Amino acid sequence: QTVVTQEPSLTVSPGGTVTLTCASSTGAVTSGYYPNWFQQKPGQAPRALIYRTSNKHSWTPARFSGSLLGDKAALTLSGVQPEDEAEYYCLLHYAGAWVFGGGTKLTVL
Amino acid sequence: EVQLVESGGGLVQPGGSLRLSCAASGFTFSSYWMTWVRQAPGKGLEWVANIKQDGSGQYYVDSLKGRFTISRDNAKNSLYLQMNSLRAEDTAVYFCARGDSGYCEGAYWGQGTLVTVSS
Repeated sequence: QTVVTQEPSLTVSPGGTVTLTCASSTGAVTSGYYPNWFQQKPGQAPRALIYRTSNKHSWTPARFSGSLLGDKAALTLSGVQPEDEAEYYCLLHYAGAWVFGGGTKLTVL
Repeated sequence: EVQLVESGGGLVQPGGSLRLSCAASGFTFSSYWMTWVRQAPGKGLEWVANIKQDGSGQYYVDSLKGRFTISRDNAKNSLYLQMNSLRAEDTAVYFCARGDSGYCEGAYWGQGTLVTVSS
């Protein structure tokens, strides 16, 4: 059973920078896993932020960026805003199917 | 404007069946992969299944193969999820989502429908 692992929680100060990571139990995450990233706030549906590692949707704020960092996928928030407090999920592709990470609860404090 | 509206959720007894629907509008439904994702109360997202534009290919999370079936009717702009032999652990909000080109999964989401499996 494939497991995708994210930091359970992170805290960042307003205006700061934070990097969330996404690891696969199968080994290094490469571009071939087509990492997607989502933001979810309480009581809301998820919102897509990043697809295919680093591509932004038209609605994705410029302060969000995606990359590969070592053997993981990464989501970096630069100049964090209070409204960025949310749960963040990565999603990786495995031969047709996809697997979500467990999510990172980001606190802006 | 892309709109996805799920329906069909509710209370069902263990061992029962339920069919969820997702009505799509605002885009050419037959041009996109479609996906079901679920979220148990207080838990994270779980990818369930997706289906190719013409319905000729489907993928499922291993744990649900054989109990859940994804399908679509492009003439009705609708996506479905047939859920059989339901268990308490299937209790969740079920979201439908639309992909986009180039391994972009879940670009647009509905608001979800709650399925509760309980006696």
